[in-house]
Amino acid sequence: EAQVTQNPRYLITVTGKKLTVTCSQNMNHEYMSWYRQDPGLGLRQIYYSMNVEVTDKGEVPEGYKVSRKEKRNFPLILESPSPNQTSLYFCASSLDSVNGYTFGSGTRLTVV
Amino acid sequence: RKEVEQDPGPFNVPEGATVAFNCTYSNSASQSFFWYRQDCRKEPKLLMSVYSSGNEDGRFTAQLNRASQYISLLIRDSKLSDSATYLCVVNSNSGYALNFGKGTSLLVTP
Repeated sequence: EAQVTQNPRYLITVTGKKLTVTCSQNMNHEYMSWYRQDPGLGLRQIYYSMNVEVTDKGEVPEGYKVSRKEKRNFPLILESPSPNQTSLYFCASSLDSVNGYTFGSGTRLTVV
Repeated sequence: RKEVEQDPGPFNVPEGATVAFNCTYSNSASQSFFWYRQDCRKEPKLLMSVYSSGNEDGRFTAQLNRASQYISLLIRDSKLSDSATYLCVVNSNSGYALNFGKGTSLLVTP
């Protein structure tokens, strides 16, 4: 089944404790992206990647890092999480810029 | 000004009604347009792409007006299962990043 898989689905962590949210797609898509969704603010892009080793900042990149060492994986790294990074995170992938993105099921992160 | 703007609603309509959502975008260079559907706390799912000539998929019709920079979605014969938030999405200048509207909430009642 074609899908985008994110892990974990739920995570509660403490301020400053590094964490990684994994994202993997099995559709051989070139484009991958991370979004966060907050009440009243909608979906905002954090980082995106056009291909292996090619990444760029989105609208809200501060406090996040990404890497794209393989085509299928695009992990999101929070080196020192803070409470304002409590949010619902979605990973997404697309074949190209013309087709829409397929989203993962989301990761609900709480930083206390 | 946000790149993609939508009326947040909520739109409360009875079953069987026809409902229309509009969305405006600010970047005249945008090339790709989509409507997504999002159920509460779930991931957005692609409902349909929007083409310049307009397109229809069953009860759903999407229109694009490039001159006025707006996109519309028409839902005919609303079903209870259509209750969701509908997101208008436009690609960025680069074509790699999507800009999302904040969504329009629809509630279809019996």
